[in-house]
Amino acid sequence: DAGVTQSPTHLIKTRGQQVTLRCSPKSGHDTVSWYQQALGQGPQFIFQYYEEEERQRGNFPDRFSGHQFPNYSSELNVNALLLGDSALYLCASSLARFVGGLGYTFGSGTRLTVV
Amino acid sequence: DQQVKQNSPSLSVQEGRISILNCDYTNSMFDYFLWYKKYPAEGPTFLISISSIKDKNEDGRFTVFLNKSAKHLSLHIVPSQPGDSAVYFCAASVTGNQFYFGTGTSLTVIP
Repeated sequence: DAGVTQSPTHLIKTRGQQVTLRCSPKSGHDTVSWYQQALGQGPQFIFQYYEEEERQRGNFPDRFSGHQFPNYSSELNVNALLLGDSALYLCASSLARFVGGLGYTFGSGTRLTVV
Repeated sequence: DQQVKQNSPSLSVQEGRISILNCDYTNSMFDYFLWYKKYPAEGPTFLISISSIKDKNEDGRFTVFLNKSAKHLSLHIVPSQPGDSAVYFCAASVTGNQFYFGTGTSLTVIP
């Protein structure tokens, strides 16, 4: 049973460019959340997608946007990249919007470097 | 504003002994607390959780304790094994679908 799959694993972009990261959730999961983990920090919530709509959003600017497809896979888009966007981007899937005490299943992440 | 804090960046423990990882939080509305383990080049793996209505939850070698009055939780690993060496994150949520993570504690279990 495949877990959460993210692509690409690594990415280097230039400041000002745009990037798209992709995520396939664990089989049977219908909710996808995205987290940003900067170096030396814990993961920080970006947003959550359920039924193809953004349901909850963390404290991130509008440059960060996403999409969820009918097969539950998801994309994270970041426009006008800044050096500070360099981080590990983690996709987390869950059986429902309410994770509670069940926890997410995380992917291995996409390492984005902005130069 | 760091709502969840792990003040010990690292911890070293001898194999077979107890590992105690600590976490403090500021938001009294948090009602779910989770611990994740992360190996290099992998995503975090869910370990154990506790809801705010409990003060202890146990799963094998792992026990989580919650002290709501002190806004403190801890993860006990007994006995510690070399394979437990990883970074441990605590996370907390109000709604159960947006989690605030600490900065992690790197545990090294020495054989």
